[in-house]
Amino acid sequence: QKEVEQDPGPLSVPEGAIVSLNCTYSNSAFQYFMWYRQYSRKGPELLMYTYSSGNKEDGRFTAQVDKSSKYISLFIRDSQPSDSATYLCAMGHMEYGNKLVFGAGTILRVKS
Amino acid sequence: GAGVSQSPRYKVAKRGQDVALRCDPISGHVSLFWYQQALGQGPEFLTYFQNEAQLDKSGLPSDRFFAERPEGSVSTLKIQRTQQEDSAVYLCASSSSGTGTYEQYFGPGTRLTVT
Repeated sequence: QKEVEQDPGPLSVPEGAIVSLNCTYSNSAFQYFMWYRQYSRKGPELLMYTYSSGNKEDGRFTAQVDKSSKYISLFIRDSQPSDSATYLCAMGHMEYGNKLVFGAGTILRVKS
Repeated sequence: GAGVSQSPRYKVAKRGQDVALRCDPISGHVSLFWYQQALGQGPEFLTYFQNEAQLDKSGLPSDRFFAERPEGSVSTLKIQRTQQEDSAVYLCASSSSGTGTYEQYFGPGTRLTVT
């Protein structure tokens, strides 16, 4: 079993929909949680960074961390065709030094 | 400012050849990371530098993989005697802090195909 599990999708939604992307993890030591967006043939782009539990909002994006359930989410409001990409969750903790552990990524398609 | 750059963007190597992949991190960034991304998968950690010191190489899959950052800026990932299973995208990331930060900024990657 992988340390970080993420449904690969693809997830297909109409323009304007609210999108919910999720990851579960098994290692309770994870403290830092990130969401990256990756367009085809590009490098991952950092979207959201959260430390420990709670919510963080940035424009149309909201990240949630529930450490008790070992579950993190990314919500995208008013989704746009330009949001079509692969979304990767990533996590880290002090015992792992500075390396990140990634999920496999969820492919999102927003249809206009 | 300029982001992380990598070269070449694409590399085709015949099995058994040696390859060298270059990473230019964001100027002033102390930490530099290499990840390997297989098709349809998330990036997997290979190695980590803080300035010129290689502090973690636990993810390097075999002794055919070698990385260096001699002056604490540009880094090179070298793969000797390439095998087909080495085909992947090799991503470089940099971070401004030496400890306790996980905000890593990625380059576009080098797509390596071994034939």
